Amino acid sequence: GAVVSQHPSWVICKSGTSVKIECRSLDFQATTMFWYRQFPKQSLMLMATSNEGSKATYEQGVEKDKFLINHASLTLSTLTVTSAHPEDSSFYICSARDKDTYNYGYTFGSGTRLTVV
Amino acid sequence: QKEVEQNSGPLSVPEGAIASLNCTYSDRGSQSFFWYRQYSGKSPELIMSIYSNGDKEDGRFTAQLNKASQYVSLLIRDSQPSDSATYLCAVMSSSNTGKLIFGQGTTLQVKP
Repeated sequence: GAVVSQHPSWVICKSGTSVKIECRSLDFQATTMFWYRQFPKQSLMLMATSNEGSKATYEQGVEKDKFLINHASLTLSTLTVTSAHPEDSSFYICSARDKDTYNYGYTFGSGTRLTVV
Repeated sequence: QKEVEQNSGPLSVPEGAIASLNCTYSDRGSQSFFWYRQYSGKSPELIMSIYSNGDKEDGRFTAQLNKASQYVSLLIRDSQPSDSATYLCAVMSSSNTGKLIFGQGTTLQVKP
């Protein structure tokens, strides 16, 4: 089945530094990837939609200059949290949709737990 | 009104019983619906997808969809302790963006 690889699985960084999270579709091509954030005991909140070769579309309230998304190929999307602060500590999860199975369920990466100290 | 609503629970059922999870949504144009299971500290995994009114069965799981009532449900038969998790209802936006909108999730506890 479809596999999405997400790295790193966890990261601790100092306040003010930047962190890059990678999301790769291993056995399918993903024209679209989605980035979610999940705080403890809350549901997944969509942050942005990443489209291969074009700019990401951000949800209302998400700072595009703080959460930089790059989707340079059909198998790789990255999320960079710039100038991270403790309130950015969260569980970040990517998901991808196989371009050949347009309407089927999305596959999620394993998530990245970010802790900013 | 939230776009996708679920009772957060916890829903507690004894082992072997049927667990019934419910979800309502507001986007009348939505055509694709999904149930995900999420264990604590893990990312969601797809259990069921449903696109047409009626029931869809897969092993111990049955998804039910009623578009007129804007209602989706998931039944888990012969519940096992390993089914204890948070179940997320997801609805694909009708905006043609492919976005999935998630409910807040229902926590299921299956007691041995």
